[in-house]
Amino acid sequence: NAGVMQNPRHLVRRRGQEARLRCSPMKGHSHVYWYRQLPEEGLKFMVYLQKENIIDESGMPKERFSAEFPKEGPSILRIQQVVRGDSAAYFCASSHGTGLITEAFFGQGTRLTVV
Amino acid sequence: DAKTTQPNSMESNEEEPVHLPCNHSTISGTDYIHWYRQLPSQGPEYVIHGLTSNVNNRMASLAIAEDRKSSTLILHRATLRDAAVYYCILAMNRDDKIIFGKGTRLHILP
Repeated sequence: NAGVMQNPRHLVRRRGQEARLRCSPMKGHSHVYWYRQLPEEGLKFMVYLQKENIIDESGMPKERFSAEFPKEGPSILRIQQVVRGDSAAYFCASSHGTGLITEAFFGQGTRLTVV
Repeated sequence: DAKTTQPNSMESNEEEPVHLPCNHSTISGTDYIHWYRQLPSQGPEYVIHGLTSNVNNRMASLAIAEDRKSSTLILHRATLRDAAVYYCILAMNRDDKIIFGKGTRLHILP
Protein backbone atom coordinates (compact mmCIF):
# COMPACT_ATOMS: atom_id res chain seq x y z
CA ASN A 1 0.00 0.00 0.00
CA ALA A 2 1.76 3.11 -1.22
CA GLY A 3 1.86 6.07 1.11
CA VAL A 4 0.67 9.58 0.36
CA MET A 5 2.19 10.61 -2.95
CA GLN A 6 2.94 14.20 -3.75
CA ASN A 7 4.25 15.51 -7.03
CA PRO A 8 6.28 17.13 -8.11
CA ARG A 9 8.81 16.96 -5.28
CA HIS A 10 10.40 20.19 -6.43
CA LEU A 11 8.79 22.92 -8.48
CA VAL A 12 10.33 26.13 -9.75
CA ARG A 13 8.10 28.90 -11.05
CA ARG A 14 8.72 32.45 -12.18
CA ARG A 15 6.77 35.23 -10.53
CA GLY A 16 3.32 35.48 -12.07
CA GLN A 17 3.09 31.87 -13.20
CA GLU A 18 0.73 29.25 -11.85
CA ALA A 19 1.78 26.37 -9.59
CA ARG A 20 -0.20 23.15 -9.42
CA LEU A 21 0.62 20.72 -6.62
CA ARG A 22 -0.81 17.23 -6.63
CA CYS A 23 -1.56 14.86 -3.79
CA SER A 24 -2.73 11.27 -4.07
CA PRO A 25 -3.98 10.06 -0.69
CA MET A 26 -3.43 6.59 0.64
CA LYS A 27 -5.79 3.98 -0.75
CA GLY A 28 -9.12 4.09 1.02
CA HIS A 29 -8.55 7.53 2.54
CA SER A 30 -11.19 10.13 1.79
CA HIS A 31 -9.87 13.00 3.91
CA VAL A 32 -7.09 15.26 2.67
CA TYR A 33 -5.30 18.13 4.40
CA TRP A 34 -2.84 20.66 3.00
CA TYR A 35 -0.17 22.42 5.06
CA ARG A 36 2.46 25.02 4.24
CA GLN A 37 5.85 25.28 5.89
CA LEU A 38 7.98 28.35 5.33
CA PRO A 39 11.75 27.94 5.76
CA GLU A 40 12.69 27.44 9.40
CA GLU A 41 9.06 27.77 10.51
CA GLY A 42 6.30 25.44 11.65
CA LEU A 43 3.53 23.77 9.70
CA LYS A 44 0.51 25.95 9.00
CA PHE A 45 -2.85 24.40 8.23
CA MET A 46 -4.34 25.55 4.94
CA VAL A 47 -7.35 23.47 3.96
CA TYR A 48 -9.22 20.26 4.75
CA LEU A 49 -11.13 18.46 2.02
CA GLN A 50 -13.25 15.39 1.61
CA LYS A 51 -14.19 13.98 -1.76
CA GLU A 52 -15.72 16.82 -3.81
CA ASN A 53 -16.12 19.01 -0.73
CA ILE A 54 -14.09 21.68 1.01
CA ILE A 55 -14.70 21.20 4.72
CA ASP A 56 -12.44 23.84 6.23
CA GLU A 57 -10.42 26.42 4.30
CA SER A 58 -9.78 28.76 7.19
CA GLY A 59 -6.02 28.67 6.60
CA MET A 60 -6.12 29.44 2.90
CA PRO A 61 -5.10 32.90 1.70
CA LYS A 62 -8.16 34.67 0.31
CA GLU A 63 -6.65 35.30 -3.10
CA ARG A 64 -4.69 33.25 -5.63
CA PHE A 65 -4.97 29.97 -3.69
CA SER A 66 -7.53 27.23 -4.35
CA ALA A 67 -7.86 23.54 -3.63
CA GLU A 68 -9.97 20.69 -4.89
CA PHE A 69 -10.39 16.98 -4.28
CA PRO A 70 -12.44 15.58 -7.15
CA LYS A 71 -14.35 12.34 -7.13
CA GLU A 72 -11.65 10.80 -9.29
CA GLY A 73 -7.99 11.69 -9.24
CA PRO A 74 -5.66 13.47 -6.87
CA SER A 75 -6.23 16.52 -4.75
CA ILE A 76 -4.86 19.67 -6.34
CA LEU A 77 -3.56 22.80 -4.62
CA ARG A 78 -3.40 25.63 -7.15
CA ILE A 79 -1.52 28.86 -6.65
CA GLN A 80 -2.12 31.51 -9.29
CA GLN A 81 0.25 34.38 -10.07
CA VAL A 82 2.89 33.14 -7.67
CA VAL A 83 5.05 35.59 -5.72
CA ARG A 84 8.36 35.06 -3.95
CA GLY A 85 6.58 34.79 -0.61
CA ASP A 86 4.85 31.61 -1.82
CA SER A 87 8.20 29.80 -1.76
CA ALA A 88 7.75 27.06 0.82
CA ALA A 89 7.27 23.35 1.35
CA TYR A 90 3.69 22.24 0.88
CA PHE A 91 2.65 19.03 2.61
CA CYS A 92 -0.42 16.95 2.04
CA ALA A 93 -1.85 14.47 4.53
CA SER A 94 -4.62 11.93 4.32
CA SER A 95 -6.64 9.93 6.83
CA HIS A 96 -9.51 7.48 7.02
CA GLY A 97 -11.56 9.87 9.08
CA THR A 98 -10.82 13.12 10.77
CA GLY A 99 -7.52 13.74 12.48
CA LEU A 100 -9.25 13.55 15.82
CA ILE A 101 -9.04 9.85 16.33
CA THR A 102 -7.20 8.32 13.41
CA GLU A 103 -3.63 9.01 12.46
CA ALA A 104 -2.84 11.19 9.50
CA PHE A 105 -0.27 10.13 6.95
CA PHE A 106 1.86 12.82 5.34
CA GLY A 107 3.54 12.95 1.98
CA GLN A 108 7.12 14.01 1.40
CA GLY A 109 6.02 17.45 0.31
CA THR A 110 6.45 19.69 -2.71
CA ARG A 111 9.10 22.34 -2.40
CA LEU A 112 8.05 25.36 -4.38
CA THR A 113 10.64 27.94 -5.33
CA VAL A 114 9.51 31.17 -6.95
CA VAL A 115 12.23 33.01 -8.83
CA ASP B 1 -8.69 26.70 22.23
CA ALA B 2 -6.73 24.10 24.12
CA LYS B 3 -3.00 24.55 23.61
CA THR B 4 0.17 22.66 24.35
CA THR B 5 3.48 23.87 25.74
CA GLN B 6 6.73 22.15 24.89
CA PRO B 7 10.40 23.03 25.43
CA ASN B 8 11.98 24.55 22.34
CA SER B 9 14.81 22.06 22.24
CA MET B 10 16.34 19.11 24.05
CA GLU B 11 19.49 17.08 23.81
CA SER B 12 20.07 13.43 24.52
CA ASN B 13 22.85 10.95 24.10
CA GLU B 14 22.55 8.14 21.63
CA GLU B 15 21.25 4.84 23.02
CA GLU B 16 19.80 6.52 26.11
CA PRO B 17 16.10 7.05 26.89
CA VAL B 18 14.53 10.39 26.06
CA HIS B 19 11.57 11.94 27.86
CA LEU B 20 9.84 14.70 25.92
CA PRO B 21 7.39 16.67 28.07
CA CYS B 22 4.17 18.40 27.02
CA ASN B 23 1.85 20.52 29.11
CA HIS B 24 -1.81 20.89 28.18
CA SER B 25 -3.50 22.28 31.25
CA THR B 26 -6.68 23.33 29.38
CA ILE B 27 -7.33 19.93 27.85
CA SER B 28 -10.98 18.90 27.70
CA GLY B 29 -12.35 15.50 28.58
CA THR B 30 -12.63 14.25 25.02
CA ASP B 31 -9.40 15.64 23.59
CA TYR B 32 -6.93 13.05 22.41
CA ILE B 33 -3.20 13.65 22.79
CA HIS B 34 -1.28 13.04 19.57
CA TRP B 35 2.44 13.09 18.91
CA TYR B 36 3.99 13.58 15.50
CA ARG B 37 7.58 14.13 14.50
CA GLN B 38 9.25 15.69 11.51
CA LEU B 39 12.66 14.52 10.43
CA PRO B 40 14.81 16.95 8.44
CA SER B 41 13.50 17.57 4.92
CA GLN B 42 10.61 15.15 5.38
CA GLY B 43 6.90 15.29 6.03
CA PRO B 44 5.54 14.80 9.54
CA GLU B 45 5.21 11.26 10.79
CA TYR B 46 2.66 9.94 13.27
CA VAL B 47 4.24 8.62 16.46
CA ILE B 48 1.53 7.77 18.96
CA HIS B 49 -1.72 8.98 20.49
CA GLY B 50 -3.78 8.36 23.62
CA LEU B 51 -6.71 9.55 25.68
CA THR B 52 -6.28 8.58 29.33
CA SER B 53 -4.21 5.44 29.66
CA ASN B 54 -0.54 5.07 28.90
CA VAL B 55 0.14 3.73 25.42
CA ASN B 56 2.99 1.76 23.89
CA ASN B 57 3.86 1.02 20.30
CA ARG B 58 6.95 0.04 18.36
CA MET B 59 8.16 3.61 18.14
CA ALA B 60 7.56 5.04 21.58
CA SER B 61 5.54 5.13 24.78
CA LEU B 62 3.11 7.83 25.87
CA ALA B 63 2.71 8.49 29.56
CA ILE B 64 -0.35 10.58 30.44
CA ALA B 65 -0.69 12.24 33.82
CA GLU B 66 -3.66 11.21 35.92
CA ASP B 67 -5.21 14.69 35.62
CA ARG B 68 -4.37 14.70 31.88
CA LYS B 69 -2.82 18.13 32.13
CA SER B 70 0.52 16.87 30.94
CA SER B 71 2.03 13.98 29.04
CA THR B 72 5.45 12.61 28.20
CA LEU B 73 6.65 10.96 25.05
CA ILE B 74 9.27 8.36 25.84
CA LEU B 75 11.81 7.10 23.33
CA HIS B 76 13.31 4.12 25.05
CA ARG B 77 16.65 4.08 23.26
CA ALA B 78 17.39 7.07 21.10
CA THR B 79 19.27 6.69 17.86
CA LEU B 80 20.67 9.36 15.56
CA ARG B 81 17.67 8.80 13.33
CA ASP B 82 15.40 10.09 16.10
CA ALA B 83 16.75 13.62 15.71
CA ALA B 84 13.66 15.55 14.67
CA VAL B 85 11.09 18.12 15.74
CA TYR B 86 8.49 16.47 17.96
CA TYR B 87 4.99 17.92 18.07
CA CYS B 88 2.49 17.36 20.87
CA ILE B 89 -1.01 18.04 19.56
CA LEU B 90 -4.44 18.01 21.09
CA ALA B 91 -7.12 16.62 18.80
CA MET B 92 -9.93 19.02 19.59
CA ASN B 93 -13.37 17.54 19.38
CA ARG B 94 -14.82 20.60 17.69
CA ASP B 95 -12.20 20.86 14.96
CA ASP B 96 -11.35 18.34 12.29
CA LYS B 97 -7.83 19.52 11.59
CA ILE B 98 -4.45 18.93 13.20
CA ILE B 99 -2.90 22.16 14.40
CA PHE B 100 0.85 22.06 14.86
CA GLY B 101 2.65 24.19 17.43
CA LYS B 102 6.36 24.88 17.46
CA GLY B 103 7.35 21.52 18.86
CA THR B 104 10.56 20.39 20.51
CA ARG B 105 13.69 20.05 18.43
CA LEU B 106 15.46 16.94 19.68
CA HIS B 107 19.22 16.69 19.15
CA ILE B 108 20.87 13.30 19.56
CA LEU B 109 24.54 13.32 20.48
CA PRO B 110 26.65 10.40 19.24
